[in-house]
Amino acid sequence: EAQVTQNPRYLITVTGKKLTVTCSQNMNHEYMSWYRQDPGLGLRQIYYSMNVEVTDKGDVPEGYKVSRKEKRNFPLILESPSPNQTSLYFCASSPQAYRGTQYFGPGTRLLVL
Amino acid sequence: GEDVEQSLFLSVREGDSSVINCTYTDSSSTYLYWYKQEPGAGLQLLTYIFSNMDMKQDQRLTVLLNKKDKHLSLRIADTQTGDSAIYFCAEREGGNQGGKLIFGQGTELSVKP
Repeated sequence: EAQVTQNPRYLITVTGKKLTVTCSQNMNHEYMSWYRQDPGLGLRQIYYSMNVEVTDKGDVPEGYKVSRKEKRNFPLILESPSPNQTSLYFCASSPQAYRGTQYFGPGTRLLVL
Repeated sequence: GEDVEQSLFLSVREGDSSVINCTYTDSSSTYLYWYKQEPGAGLQLLTYIFSNMDMKQDQRLTVLLNKKDKHLSLRIADTQTGDSAIYFCAEREGGNQGGKLIFGQGTELSVKP
């Protein structure tokens, strides 16, 4: 089954404790992206990747890092989480940036205390 | 930076048509998208339109694009209670090679029986 998976689905952590949210897709997609969703603000893009070893900043990259060492994986790293990073995070992938269906993961709800 | 604006709420009666509107600012956008988010779920791509098109129809969905006014609309004919969700408009920034997606705040559609 074609899908985008994220782990964990729910996470409670404390300020400053490094964490990684994993994202994996099994569709051989070139394009992957991370978003955060906050009430009244819609979805805002954090980082995206056009292909392996190619990443670029979205709208709100501060406080986040990503890597794209393999085509299927695109982890989101919070080196020193802060309470303003409490949010709902979505990973997405599509064959290419501008073409066709963009598949979204189920979301990761993060609470930073 | 570029911006996408939507009204936050729309309420219609079952069987009526719904029209969700969106304005955007990037005149170089080549692709514009409509996504649907049901409660507790990720985003599902409903449809997209190329900037050289005025209209696209897909079953109950009709997308209208006024490029001069940078206005996009999604019309849902014969709206059903299952159409209740949040609808996001998005543009892909930066022309054909751009990978950054910018979403509106989302329009919450409520369908009353």
